[in-house]
Amino acid sequence: EVQLVQSGPEVKKPGESLRISCKGSGYTFTNYWISWVRQMPGKGLEWMGRHDPIDSYTNYSPTFEGHITISTDKSISTAYLQWSRLNASDTAIYYCARRIRGATNWYFDLWGRGTLVTVSS
Amino acid sequence: DIQMTQSPSTLSASVGDRVTITCRASRSIHTYLNWYQQKPGQAPNLLIYAAASLQSGVPSRFSGSGSGTDFILTISSLQPEDFATYFCQQSSSTPPTFGQGTNVEIK
Repeated sequence: EVQLVQSGPEVKKPGESLRISCKGSGYTFTNYWISWVRQMPGKGLEWMGRHDPIDSYTNYSPTFEGHITISTDKSISTAYLQWSRLNASDTAIYYCARRIRGATNWYFDLWGRGTLVTVSS
Repeated sequence: DIQMTQSPSTLSASVGDRVTITCRASRSIHTYLNWYQQKPGQAPNLLIYAAASLQSGVPSRFSGSGSGTDFILTISSLQPEDFATYFCQQSSSTPPTFGQGTNVEIK
């Protein structure tokens, strides 16, 4: 089955670090870029950035640049979203999604089920 | 960044109704426009890509149209499983941006 399987929910305190994961299966992982998308409670979708598993090029939204790190380990078909210092406003559901490499008219055709991150003191 | 504005924010409709949702871009995005459906507690699911192409496995009652700055998602006959939130998303330029969503609720 073609799927993206995300890691489980996390509860963290402000200032803590965190890495969540997204494992692709059923398809050639390196044929697609992985993006991360944030959905704050009761809100819409915000693109955070994307990563190319082949050349490791990463493109971040200005909103998130400097606060997150996106990476992949192509040997295990897994993408990561990482924070070195969380704050309460990072509380949200985080989705990984794939898009075909290099396409001009592209779209997110496969999504993970989401990872709920709760940051609270 | 390209701003995407959907209308209405909430839509009340009955089973069997024809439903239209509008998405407007702050500048031309040609046909680089995708539509997603999200049900409570689930991830978004691709319905329409490139403004008018139906994603494999999506029922034919869903259709999309438009180009430039104005786009429409149409559900020809609303089914019980279609009550959900719908988002448009532009892929014309980075960062890709989403509309704020349209919640289709039961009338």
